[in-house]
Amino acid sequence: GAVVSQHPSWVICKSGTSVKIECRSLDFQATTMFWYRQFPKQSLMLMATSNEGSKATYEQGVEKDKFLINHASLTLSTLTVTSAHPEDSSFYICSVGGLAGDKNIQYFGAGTRLSVL
Amino acid sequence: DAKTTQPPSMDCAEGRAANLPCNHSTISGNEYVYWYRQIHSQGPQYIIHGLKNNETNEMASLIITEDRKSSTLILPHATLRDTAVYYCIVRPPGSGNTGKLIFGQGTTLQVKP
Repeated sequence: GAVVSQHPSWVICKSGTSVKIECRSLDFQATTMFWYRQFPKQSLMLMATSNEGSKATYEQGVEKDKFLINHASLTLSTLTVTSAHPEDSSFYICSVGGLAGDKNIQYFGAGTRLSVL
Repeated sequence: DAKTTQPPSMDCAEGRAANLPCNHSTISGNEYVYWYRQIHSQGPQYIIHGLKNNETNEMASLIITEDRKSSTLILPHATLRDTAVYYCIVRPPGSGNTGKLIFGQGTTLQVKP
C-alpha cells in the first residue's frame, strides 16, 4: 500500500503560537488528502479535505481561519494550527486517497500529537 | 454521521478466530463497506473492503450478507498484535471529497493470551 509520512510525530508549543504539520505522499501523486483530529478515547473526526491547487473543503464546525490547509503540490499537504490554545491539543492524522488500482483506499499517516501548554 | 453500528468491545483468545460484526442497514446500492483498524497511538490501517461479494486478503475475510445490511470481519487466527479498535465504514465509490471516511466509535478488540 501507499506510504504516507507525517511530520512531526510529536510537538509541544506555547499557547498563542502556530504549529505546522506536514503530510507527504511518498510513492504516488495525491490530488486529495484528508485531515482528521482525534481526542483521547474518541474516534477520528474529519476536519477537512485538502485539494491540490485549490481551497480546502472544511467540515461543518471546523474553523478554516484557525486550521489553515495548503496543498501546493501533489505530494505535500500542510495543516497549520494558528494561535494554538490548550483545547487544540489533540492527535492530528492525515490520509491520502489512492489512485488507479487503489482508487477507493485511503492510507493514513502515523499522526502528530500536539500538546499546547 | 456514521452509518454503521458496532459493538463497543469484544474479547478473543489468541489463536482463535475473531469475528467482528457491523450493521449498516441504511447502506445505499453503490456504497462499499470498508474496515480499518487503529492500534493505540497510531494512524488507522486499511484492512479490507467490499461491495457485495465476500472478500479475502492476507489480513482478513469480509463476509457481507445478501441484503448488504450487515457484515462480519473475520481475523482467522488472532494474535496479540491484533488488539486494536476496528472501524466499519460505508462510503460511496470515488476519490475526492465524495470519498471521505466518516468514523464511528468502532469495536475495541482485546486479544488475550
